[in-house]
Amino acid sequence: NAGVTQTPKFQVLKTGQSMTLQCAQDMNHEYMSWYRQDPGMGLRLIHYSVGAGITDQGEVPNGYNVSRSTTEDFPLRLLSAAPSQTSVYFCASSYGGHGTSYGYTFGSGTRLTVV
Amino acid sequence: KNEVEQSPQNLTAQEGEFITINCSYSVGISALHWLQQHPGGGIVSLFMLSSGKKKHGRLIATINIQEKHSSLHITASHPRDSAVYICAVRSYNTDKLIFGTGTRLQVFP
Repeated sequence: NAGVTQTPKFQVLKTGQSMTLQCAQDMNHEYMSWYRQDPGMGLRLIHYSVGAGITDQGEVPNGYNVSRSTTEDFPLRLLSAAPSQTSVYFCASSYGGHGTSYGYTFGSGTRLTVV
Repeated sequence: KNEVEQSPQNLTAQEGEFITINCSYSVGISALHWLQQHPGGGIVSLFMLSSGKKKHGRLIATINIQEKHSSLHITASHPRDSAVYICAVRSYNTDKLIFGTGTRLQVFP
């Protein structure tokens, strides 16, 4: 089925470990983004990309890296995990374009716990 | 003050009731989205609005651009409607989504 595929669904890390959350979409969407969801707060933008080879920081980028080598994939890397990065992470994609209004498709989420 | 405010934060209803969830925003937007998130589940897009009104089954979404306000209505509510409903706006200036904190709805039989 077409959509956004996120892996893994669950992950437990020790403080200081690194890992990559995978995100792939097969809809040829230009715009891809990563969000984190914490209790009592709206989703917050970590990093986003408006096309292959182009990435930019969102609201809460510290401790995370991204790359966009292909249109389909947008992995999120945690460089040195900290307990403050315990959260649920969502990847989303959309047709891009400044000022345009296209629907978003979200992945199923990754629940990350850092101990 | 958050740029996107939702009310109420929590809502309980009896099956069959008419439900309204409100969203107010303070930025210029290119679109407003209503999203649904079931417990432990992913996020599903319900509506995207830039003007007027949209209807899908028992769900109706309206937006008033001048007043910077949107409402999501659920007619004849059902326990399977229990979820968190999230309002998000796409900022015209930054092209980024800004999310409300969500409204948790519980519908009892």
